[in-house]
Amino acid sequence: GAGVSQSPSNKVTEKGKDVELRCDPISGHTALYWYRQSLGQGLEFLIYFQGNSAPDKSGLPSDRFSAERTGGSVSTLTIQRTQQEDSAVYLCASSLSRPQGEQFFGPGTRLTVL
Amino acid sequence: ILNVEQSPQSLHVQEGDSTNFTCSFPSSNFYALHWYRWETAKSPEALFVMTLNGDEKKKGRISATLNTKEGYSYLYIKGSQPEDSATYLCAFTDTGNQFYFGTGTSLTVIP
Repeated sequence: GAGVSQSPSNKVTEKGKDVELRCDPISGHTALYWYRQSLGQGLEFLIYFQGNSAPDKSGLPSDRFSAERTGGSVSTLTIQRTQQEDSAVYLCASSLSRPQGEQFFGPGTRLTVL
Repeated sequence: ILNVEQSPQSLHVQEGDSTNFTCSFPSSNFYALHWYRWETAKSPEALFVMTLNGDEKKKGRISATLNTKEGYSYLYIKGSQPEDSATYLCAFTDTGNQFYFGTGTSLTVIP
């Protein structure tokens, strides 16, 4: 079956612009996570959705970052007024259950803010 | 902020050599320890999930052990092959909601 997909694969934007990153999880996976990896850093947790529960937004680095998950499936991560420090690879993962559940990662979106 | 540390940061070994890496994590509020392999230009993929102190997992030439009391896990690769070249990530989950990833160990196997 299809894995986790993300779009776009690459995004170059100018400082101050808004960007939207999309994640299509594996069908039936109730948990969805967003992470980012900045150059030379580990994977940084951003936000977690589990079913219809309120998302855990504790990892979002600033109020310029927001995410939503529509119909318990597709998720969109929005970054407003992008800054150069937002440049990173943004990864989405989904799983059946957590925290023991194996996470299946998408290919990531490489965001470059000029 | 929870610190998950991995060592070494990078490693070069000859084909056929055996090797191991370390993941250190907080020993309190432990729930699970995950190992992932992340090959260049691909997505991270899960290797093991371990939950019990003393757990040992094996998949082919790769195995892992877990010590929750002292807060470490070892990943072993026996007879390294070039296709094992990747970054190996560990992630700790506590009784809260987050995964805490280490920065990874980058393995290069030289043919």
